[in-house]
Amino acid sequence: AQKVTQAQTEISVVEKEDVTLDCVYETRDTTYYLFWYKQPPSGELVFLIRRNSFDEQNEISGRYSWNFQKSTSSFNFTITASQVVDSAVYFCALVSGTASKLTFGTGTRLQVTL
Amino acid sequence: DAGVTQSPTHLIKTRGQQVTLRCSPKSGHDTVSWYQQALGQGPQFIFQYYEEEERQRGNFPDRFSGHQFPNYSSELNVNALLLGDSALYLCASSLSGTNYNEQFFGPGTRLTVL
Repeated sequence: AQKVTQAQTEISVVEKEDVTLDCVYETRDTTYYLFWYKQPPSGELVFLIRRNSFDEQNEISGRYSWNFQKSTSSFNFTITASQVVDSAVYFCALVSGTASKLTFGTGTRLQVTL
Repeated sequence: DAGVTQSPTHLIKTRGQQVTLRCSPKSGHDTVSWYQQALGQGPQFIFQYYEEEERQRGNFPDRFSGHQFPNYSSELNVNALLLGDSALYLCASSLSGTNYNEQFFGPGTRLTVL
């Protein structure tokens, strides 16, 4: 069975602060893919990144960066110099084995204030 | 290039009624997945359609059924509605071939059961 845990329910930061969203996953498959999605108040899930289990390189995209560590089954997401527009619910998700369904965590609500 | 579209945006039904939700996939995509997102929770996989057949199914009762048409659009039907069926229903489309293709999500249909 697959499972994704996002222990942080809600995080509040002041604009320009850095913030890290945690994600821990469980799977017995050796081949799997990890995702991060952003869900603004409008409700539509926006794809941010996909990572496969064979690539542990960290990735940076502008103010966003991701740290994938198989040793701790974690795939954490950092926003540098947060902005009010980053306020949203962020979901970590997993696809593993031959299944194509996404298994989501419960999400972390990020509130960035001025 | 139109993204994933869903209709209606909002829907109010009473217990025991039946509802049909509709989804048009992103251009070029042939696979449609449906997710249920209860308030404050992550999306839960309902089922996936490919080539007009249900390919995968999550832990949802038979009251939840679906259909995919030759043009790849899809419908989600829920019979004998319960109060607990109140949720945001998300449709996601992807391209077949691998199980890790990025899934593009629509804006969702918010269903309220009274």
